[in-house]
Amino acid sequence: AQRVTQPEKLLSVFKGAPVELKCNYSYSGSPELFWYVQYSRQRLQLLLRHISRESIKGFTADLNKGETSFHLKKPFAQEEDSAMYYCALNNYGQNFVFGPGTRLSVLP
Amino acid sequence: SQTIHQWPATLVQPVGSPLSLECTVEGTSNPNLYWYRQAAGRGLQLLFYSVGIGQISSEVPQNLSASRPQDRQFILSSKKLLLSDSGFYLCAWAANRVLHFGNGTRLTVT
Repeated sequence: AQRVTQPEKLLSVFKGAPVELKCNYSYSGSPELFWYVQYSRQRLQLLLRHISRESIKGFTADLNKGETSFHLKKPFAQEEDSAMYYCALNNYGQNFVFGPGTRLSVLP
Repeated sequence: SQTIHQWPATLVQPVGSPLSLECTVEGTSNPNLYWYRQAAGRGLQLLFYSVGIGQISSEVPQNLSASRPQDRQFILSSKKLLLSDSGFYLCAWAANRVLHFGNGTRLTVT
């Protein structure tokens, strides 16, 4: 069965500190991995996807198939990064499986 | 450009009453449509998805049903609400394997 885990419900860091939001998945094939973000009073929206290999708002995420992980990283956190972050998986089909989410709080 | 509309934004309903949440998409044809429920600490739970008119796949058996009477319209319904149906409901459509979400409906069953 497909499953996405995010071990931290809440992550607090100080402004300017590095941040890493962890995501692990279980799937027997080669899925596509995503990070979605929900800022306060905004819609849930795509942040980045592993096939794009882009850096969005300073965030990057590398798919590690050996460790089945897709951790989200940013070297210097900003207060505007405070939001709810969801890791998600798609098996190139219709279904998207989401993790439980991590709330990131960047302190001034 | 494509847009997704979801209403109402908030809803308070008594136990045992019916439910109808509506979602429409503009600017695209034959989209894949989804209903998710967002619960604190549990992430997004897929409830239903649809790949076309009249085609509904249910992921979690429960007190809810979905219908797609038109290409760009997706409706979430219940005949009799339970307290456990309270939550935040999100409609979404998919393009190129990216989900685009509506603003959501906060449902409180009292």
